[in-house]
Amino acid sequence: ETGVTQSPTHLIKTRGQQVTLRCSSQSGHNTVSWYQQALGQGPQFIFQYYREEENGRGNFPPRFSGLQFPNYSSELNVNALELDDSALYLCASSPRLAGQETQYFGPGTRLLVL
Amino acid sequence: RKEVEQDPGPFNVPEGATVAFNCTYSNSASQSFFWYRQDCRKEPKLLMSVYSSGNEDGRFTAQLNRASQYISLLIRDSKLSDSATYLCVVSNNAGNMLTFGGGTRLMVKP
Repeated sequence: ETGVTQSPTHLIKTRGQQVTLRCSSQSGHNTVSWYQQALGQGPQFIFQYYREEENGRGNFPPRFSGLQFPNYSSELNVNALELDDSALYLCASSPRLAGQETQYFGPGTRLLVL
Repeated sequence: RKEVEQDPGPFNVPEGATVAFNCTYSNSASQSFFWYRQDCRKEPKLLMSVYSSGNEDGRFTAQLNRASQYISLLIRDSKLSDSATYLCVVSNNAGNMLTFGGGTRLMVKP
């Protein structure tokens, strides 16, 4: 186990709704990244938070937003849900912001948008 | 062209076989390289980091060729438990973004 937890494990929403996903990073890790993994594809980088500030963003629209809290836990918010947002959402934490650091993934949240 | 490309497979091999996966990446400024393993409906888990000098961990050997922008993974003496999807992963030069290939699916059969 990596010590990274995510909630909820599964979620069903309808198009146009909003969703908030949560992630608790491993103890001592101050960097959290979020990824979207569609069925049959590799994870795609959404954004990263380091010490409560966004530190890099992938090719996702502004309706994907996030927060990191002082205890380094994080939220991913998605507004105006679309059918294509159905995916596994993964968060990953790392002990510090450095190129060589590996990231440790949580079990993910499966989102289904109907 | 995708930033990280892998053959999706599946690779179907018998137990005890040797199997090799290849991966190419397009960003020459990429800094770090990894292989992750992902079991069905589970999260990716780090298998090994990849270094230019090549590195080995038991039955697994990884190699990086920066000039050709090519990464490989060799699995010797395949076990049933090696059945999974193997993800080639590249970190950008800022170290804040992992780019994943689409994964190569391996099925090891008795």
